[in-house]
Amino acid sequence: GQSLEQPSEVTAVEGAIVQINCTYQTSGFYGLSWYQQHDGGAPTFLSYNALDGLEETGRFSSFLSRSDSYGYLLLQELQMKDSASYFCAVRGGTGGFKTIFGAGTRLFVKA
Amino acid sequence: NAGVTQTPKFQVLKTGQSMTLQCAQDMNHNSMYWYRQDPGMGLRLIYYSASEGTTDKGEVPNGYNVSRLNKREFSLRLESAAPSQTSVYFCASRDRNTGELFFGEGSRLTVL
Repeated sequence: GQSLEQPSEVTAVEGAIVQINCTYQTSGFYGLSWYQQHDGGAPTFLSYNALDGLEETGRFSSFLSRSDSYGYLLLQELQMKDSASYFCAVRGGTGGFKTIFGAGTRLFVKA
Repeated sequence: NAGVTQTPKFQVLKTGQSMTLQCAQDMNHNSMYWYRQDPGMGLRLIYYSASEGTTDKGEVPNGYNVSRLNKREFSLRLESAAPSQTSVYFCASRDRNTGELFFGEGSRLTVL
């Protein structure tokens, strides 16, 4: 089966850097994704890593180590609007069609 | 750009009633998904469809059925609703090139 572990809550101050870790278990790994969700909204895509290494998109970066079954999302220059829930999600199973989400990390950004 | 459209957005049911949640995407994606999200929790996969004509069980399929009507549409049916099925339901489709899931706005279902 597939499962993911990520911290339930993280608090940081505006302008700081925060890292949200994710460890996963899956059969047939195809990639690790990150999604952001504001209260009352739908999840929106942030990044996707299929290979080891760092992917950077503006203030957000995502890292993957397949040998460690581990990834993280790095948020830089935190802004108040970054207060949201962040989910890691793993693609696995036969053909990589099955995408399972972690329970989410609630990020609180303080002034 | 409509993206992924879900209907209805809100629904209240009584225990034992049945209903169907509709989902349609206009991005020509092959794979579609149904998730449920309970308060303060992550998304749990109910069913998915890798391509037109195929469906597979996810993490929590009990009490649900799905139909992949065509490439655009993927519906979720509750045959006999239970209070435990009170949740927000999200439909999504996947871009095969980027792996990105595109979500609908969600359907908020309450079972009394």
